[in-house]
Amino acid sequence: QKEVEQDPGPLSVPEGAIVSLNCTYSNSAFQYFMWYRQYSRKGPELLMYTYSSGNKEDGRFTAQVDKSSKYISLFIRDSQPSDSATYLCAMSDVWVQGAQKLVFGQGTRLTINP
Amino acid sequence: DAGVTQSPTHLIKTRGQQVTLRCSPKSGHDTVSWYQQALGQGPQFIFQYYEEEERQRGNFPDRFSGHQFPNYSSELNVNALLLGDSALYLCASSTGTEQYFGPGTRLTVL
Repeated sequence: QKEVEQDPGPLSVPEGAIVSLNCTYSNSAFQYFMWYRQYSRKGPELLMYTYSSGNKEDGRFTAQVDKSSKYISLFIRDSQPSDSATYLCAMSDVWVQGAQKLVFGQGTRLTINP
Repeated sequence: DAGVTQSPTHLIKTRGQQVTLRCSPKSGHDTVSWYQQALGQGPQFIFQYYEEEERQRGNFPDRFSGHQFPNYSSELNVNALLLGDSALYLCASSTGTEQYFGPGTRLTVL
């Protein structure tokens, strides 16, 4: 079993829809949670960063972490065609300067149709 | 402010050869991490450098080695290339818990 599970999709929704992306994990030591967006043939771009449990909102994006269920989510409101990309969840455990390994999900490929 | 830069963009090698990839971190960042991303998969952690030392390593063989220079830039070296080493190699820099990625180097092994 992988430490981080993410449905690879593909996921296709109409423009303006609310998108929900999810990851589950097995390592209860994880406490740093990130979402990255990766366009085709580009490097991942950090979208959202959350420490421990709770919600975080940034514009049209909301990240949620439920440590009791080992489940994290990313919501995209008013989705735009420019949001079409692969979304990667990533997480890590205790942070020590110079020693933080990120564990990624497989990525969900999202297409927003005009 | 320049972000993380990597060179070269693309590289084609044959089995058994050696390759060196380069990374310059974002200004103000002192930690560099390397990841391997196979097609359709999430990035896999190779290792992380801080203060010119390898601080943490993922599940990769010794054929993968690295270096960090005093200016915080870094190199990834892969010896005795295998077909399975074909992937996008990503460098990420950080000074705290948030890691920022470069565009990657796409390595093809024939």
